[in-house]
Amino acid sequence: GAGVSQSPRYKVAKRGQDVALRCDPISGHVSLFWYQQALGQGPEFLTYFQNEAQLDKSGLPSDRFFAERPEGSVSTLKIQRTQQEDSAVYLCASSFSPLGVYEQYFGPGTRLTVT
Amino acid sequence: KNEVEQSPQNLTAQEGEFITINCSYSVGISALHWLQQHPGGGIVSLFMLSSGKKKHGRLIATINIQEKHSSLHITASHPRDSAVYICAVRPRSGDQFYFGTGTSLTVIP
Repeated sequence: GAGVSQSPRYKVAKRGQDVALRCDPISGHVSLFWYQQALGQGPEFLTYFQNEAQLDKSGLPSDRFFAERPEGSVSTLKIQRTQQEDSAVYLCASSFSPLGVYEQYFGPGTRLTVT
Repeated sequence: KNEVEQSPQNLTAQEGEFITINCSYSVGISALHWLQQHPGGGIVSLFMLSSGKKKHGRLIATINIQEKHSSLHITASHPRDSAVYICAVRPRSGDQFYFGTGTSLTVIP
C-alpha cells in the first residue's frame, strides 16, 4: 500500500506488560512522528525522527516510553510496564521533508487499552 | 496552556447547511493544517496553509496570520462530512505540531 501503516490496530495489555507498536511510513519519507491521542483530545507530540536519528523526544511522558527507527524506515514505539493512563490511540505520521514542513501523512493509529 | 483553541467543540448541522469551524492559536507559525479524523482514528490532511485561502471541492480554508486565526468552511454539508476536524499549527521554530482538541461535526440527513 502507499500509505502509512501501523500494527497492531488494537492492543489490550494488562497493567505492567510491555508493548511494542509498529509504524511503517511511506517509502522514502525522511521524517517520522509519533503522537498520543487520549479519548476526546487532539493528538499530542511524542517524538520525531529524521531518518534514523531521533532528534526530539521531548514529548515522551516518561522513561517507560522508548522509540527507535534503526534503519531510517520502520519505527517502533515501546512502552514498558504499561499503566492505565497509557491507554490512548498512538498515531504515526511521516513526511517526505525534514521536520515535516510539508504534508504529514497519518497512519490509522494503534488503540492501546491497558486494563 | 493550550496553544491551539478550536470552536465549537461539537456541531450538529442539517444536510445542506454551510458550516464554519474556527481555530485560534497563540504562537508564531510557519504553517497551519486542517485535518479530518474519522471514527476509528484515521487522519487525513485536508489543507496546509501559510497565508490566504485554499479551496478543495466543498471545503474552504482561510487564515489570517495577523489575527492568528483560521477558519474551515464546508459548503452544502453532507452526512459523509461527519467527522472530527482538527486544527494543527507548526511553530516557526521547532519540529512539533500543536493540535487543537478537535470539532466533532455531525451532519444529519
